[in-house]
Amino acid sequence: GAVVSQHPSRVICKSGTSVKIECRSLDFQATTMFWYRQFPKQSLMLMATSNEGSKATYEQGVEKDKFLINHASLTLSTLTVTSAHPEDSSFYICSAQGGTQQPQHFGDGTRLSIL
Amino acid sequence: GQQLNQSPQSMFIQEGEDVSMNCTSSSIFNTWLWYKQDPGEGPVLLIALYKAGELTSNGRLTAQFGITRKDSFLNISASIPSDVGIYFCAGLGGSQGNLIFGKGTKLSVKP
Repeated sequence: GAVVSQHPSRVICKSGTSVKIECRSLDFQATTMFWYRQFPKQSLMLMATSNEGSKATYEQGVEKDKFLINHASLTLSTLTVTSAHPEDSSFYICSAQGGTQQPQHFGDGTRLSIL
Repeated sequence: GQQLNQSPQSMFIQEGEDVSMNCTSSSIFNTWLWYKQDPGEGPVLLIALYKAGELTSNGRLTAQFGITRKDSFLNISASIPSDVGIYFCAGLGGSQGNLIFGKGTKLSVKP
């Protein structure tokens, strides 16, 4: 149980392109979903927290207009990197949580490469 | 803010050896989690600890939640090559259930 599917697994695109990443909880309802960014050899850095039907809460230093988050249902959240530039290249990982004191279960990540 | 200190940063061991890593914090957490991350993949939950003093096993893995709720250790017995990866401890805190991660322990196992 507790499977989280993240798609796509890898994206390579030109600078200026907007990229959408989907995160789905397959066998449970996720009251909260989280989006992380991970740089090589570092731990996960929380970007934003989203609850179904409400606006996402962004961490300090994360541009909400750059990283658009939509959490339209209890099983789906999307992260759109708008007008992506090479410095946005990174490994993006989502997680889903069934309740506030429940473990987060992670997707397999999306490797984003902006040329 | 809340921080987790995880050690060691990396370990190089021989196959068959036992491994121990730990995490400490200046803050109390209600839940401690241990994850393993393979290269290019998301973290996978290994063990979740909910009660102070709790000792939980998952196959060759054993983890304990410190009695003060400020520390935890993870042991791996009889390591095998597929144990290679980065192990993260994480404390569950905050009203939205945010995770606070340690910096990870990179485990290398020599066959």
